[in-house]
Amino acid sequence: DTEVTQTPKHLVMGMTNKKSLKCEQHMGHRAMYWYKQKAKKPPELMFVYSYEKLSINESVPSRFSPECPNSSLLNLHLHALQPEDSALYLCASSQAARGFTDTQYFGPGTRLTVL
Amino acid sequence: AQTVTQSQPEMSVQEAETVTLSCTYDTSESDYYLFWYKQPPSRQMILVIRQEAYKQQNATENRFSVNFQKAAKSFSLKISDSQLGDAAMYFCAYILQAGTALIFGKGTTLSVSS
Repeated sequence: DTEVTQTPKHLVMGMTNKKSLKCEQHMGHRAMYWYKQKAKKPPELMFVYSYEKLSINESVPSRFSPECPNSSLLNLHLHALQPEDSALYLCASSQAARGFTDTQYFGPGTRLTVL
Repeated sequence: AQTVTQSQPEMSVQEAETVTLSCTYDTSESDYYLFWYKQPPSRQMILVIRQEAYKQQNATENRFSVNFQKAAKSFSLKISDSQLGDAAMYFCAYILQAGTALIFGKGTTLSVSS
C-alpha cells in the first residue's frame, strides 16, 4: 500500500482567513514533504520533515507554517495568503532510510484558491 | 547546477503504438535515483518507474521501460501499446539522497488518440 491522503481536496479562502491542509500516511515512512505546484509546471519543494523534525525549509514565506504532530501526519497552516499562493499543494512521503535514496509517494493534492 | 531537461513539451501517440519520452539530467554525483512520474488531469502524481543509477540493467514495469545511459546522463521512457489512460503530463526527476527535493524536469504532455 503506497497511499498518501490529503484533505481537503479543494479550498477557497480569503486573504484574511486561517486554514490548514492535512496529509496522512500509514506506510511507516519517516520523511514527509510539502510541494507547491502551479498549473503546467513541475512541483517545487517547500518543506521536508525527517523523523518528525523540520529538515528543509526552502525559504518559504512565514504565512505558510508546517507542523508534524507525529510520524503519520503533516499539516500546513495557512494565514494571510496572497492570490499568487493559489496552487496545487502536494504532500509526499518516503522511507527516508538515512544514507540511502528512496522513492517519494504523492498524495492527490489540495487545490487552493485565494481570493 | 542540478537540472533535468525534457526537450519535448508535447508528444502524441495513437492507441497501441509506442512512444518514447526524452530526458537528460545534469549532476556531478555518482549515486542517485531516477524517476518517471505521471500526472493525469486528475492531478495525482503517480510513480511510473524508478531506476537506481548504480544498476546497469534498464528498469521495466509492464508496458513501461527506460533506456538509461549513465555516461550520457540520459533517461528516456518508452511506453509500449499505448492506451487512452496513458494521456497525462510526464515528469522526469532524480534525487540524490533521502529526505531531499526531487529535481524535476518541466514535463512532457502526452496525448493519446484512438
